[in-house]
Amino acid sequence: AQKITQTQPGMFVQEKEAVTLDCTYDTSDPSYGLFWYKQPSSGEMIFLIYQGSYDQQNATEGRYSLNFQKARKSANLVISASQLGDSAMYFCAMRGARGNYKLTFGKGTLLTVNP
Amino acid sequence: DGGITQSPKYLFRKEGQNVTLSCEQNLNHDAMYWYRQDPGQGLRLIYYSQIVNDFQKGDIAEGYSVSREKKESFPLTVTSAQKNPTAFYLCASSIRGSHSPLHFGNGTRLTVT
Repeated sequence: AQKITQTQPGMFVQEKEAVTLDCTYDTSDPSYGLFWYKQPSSGEMIFLIYQGSYDQQNATEGRYSLNFQKARKSANLVISASQLGDSAMYFCAMRGARGNYKLTFGKGTLLTVNP
Repeated sequence: DGGITQSPKYLFRKEGQNVTLSCEQNLNHDAMYWYRQDPGQGLRLIYYSQIVNDFQKGDIAEGYSVSREKKESFPLTVTSAQKNPTAFYLCASSIRGSHSPLHFGNGTRLTVT
């Protein structure tokens, strides 16, 4: 079974600072994908970044980077230069063949960016 | 523009009534999914379909039903057997059998009183 754990229910960060949102996962799949989504208060799910289990380098997308440590089964999201518009729920998720490619989500972290 | 359309955005029903939530996509994706989200919680999978005329139960399928007669459409019916139907429902689609991201609709907020 696949499992995603996000241990930080809420995080606060000052505008323009960097913040790390934690995510650990558990799977028996040899090949899997890890994802981060952002959910603003309006409710839509916005895809941020993807990391494949066989990717040698950490994924980056603009101000988002994924700190992937395969041996520790962690996939932390780093947001650099936080902006007020970054305030939202952030979900870590994974999918793999043994899970029939279903996307399994963690419970999320509510990020608040303070001015 | 390609995307996923969920309608309506807000839906109100009386207890004991079945209600159907619409989900349409024009991304040409084979796989479609329904998730439920409760306040302050993550998303839980209700049903998913990898191909037309086939679908599988997710983690919380009891009290729900789906159909997949067309590639573009994956409607979800919340039946009167669902004990706590008030929630935010999200539909998604993706390329089948891959690690590509899911694309989500904007969701339907269902309130049952």
